[in-house]
Amino acid sequence: DAGVIQSPRHEVTEMGQEVTLRCKPISGHNSLFWYRQTMMRGLELLIYFNNNVPIDDSGMPEDRFSAKMPNASFSTLKIQPSEPRDSAVYFCASRSLAGASTDTQYFGPGTRLTVL
Amino acid sequence: AQSVTQLDSQVPVFEEAPVELRCNYSSSVSVYLFWYVQYPNQGLQLLLKYLSGSTLVKGINGFEAEFNKSQTSFHLRKPSVHISDTAEYFCAVSDPGTYKYIFGTGTRLKVLA
Repeated sequence: DAGVIQSPRHEVTEMGQEVTLRCKPISGHNSLFWYRQTMMRGLELLIYFNNNVPIDDSGMPEDRFSAKMPNASFSTLKIQPSEPRDSAVYFCASRSLAGASTDTQYFGPGTRLTVL
Repeated sequence: AQSVTQLDSQVPVFEEAPVELRCNYSSSVSVYLFWYVQYPNQGLQLLLKYLSGSTLVKGINGFEAEFNKSQTSFHLRKPSVHISDTAEYFCAVSDPGTYKYIFGTGTRLKVLA
């Protein structure tokens, strides 16, 4: 099993540029989560999807952030325009809504974003 | 609302010594509890979880945790640590209905030779 795949692993961009982070969940998982990790705020849930439908986006910090899940095997988190305070590690996690271990989220390796 | 408190931001311990990482939670409903480990520049990996049943839960890498409902705690323990256990450890609580995780702020375990 390939696990959760995120790309890119590192992204350096300049303030004002658009940034797109990508996530491929574990095959068969139908719930997907986006998190942001910073020293100041720790791990924060930004948004999560069940069966490609956004269920809770209350953690999305501003309108500059948007997330989509066009199909069961792909999700994007977009920041437009990016700002230096968006610098963080962004994690994607997935879980199965049925079967064993529905309670457990499996995390990707993260994308380290630096906005200059 | 649920919350998780990890009282210790950093715990230094010598190799082969025992360690306990503390986690307390608050919730008005029953919860699921988790411990995850994050090695440098990696994602989070599940160590163990408590859903129901036996309050002593055993996980990977020799770790175990005990759920204490009266003290609303879920402390993580290992009887003898190795250098390779150096990492950040996160406690999380989950609403059994939504499975949204609320994470603690993490405890950085540093194992000294």
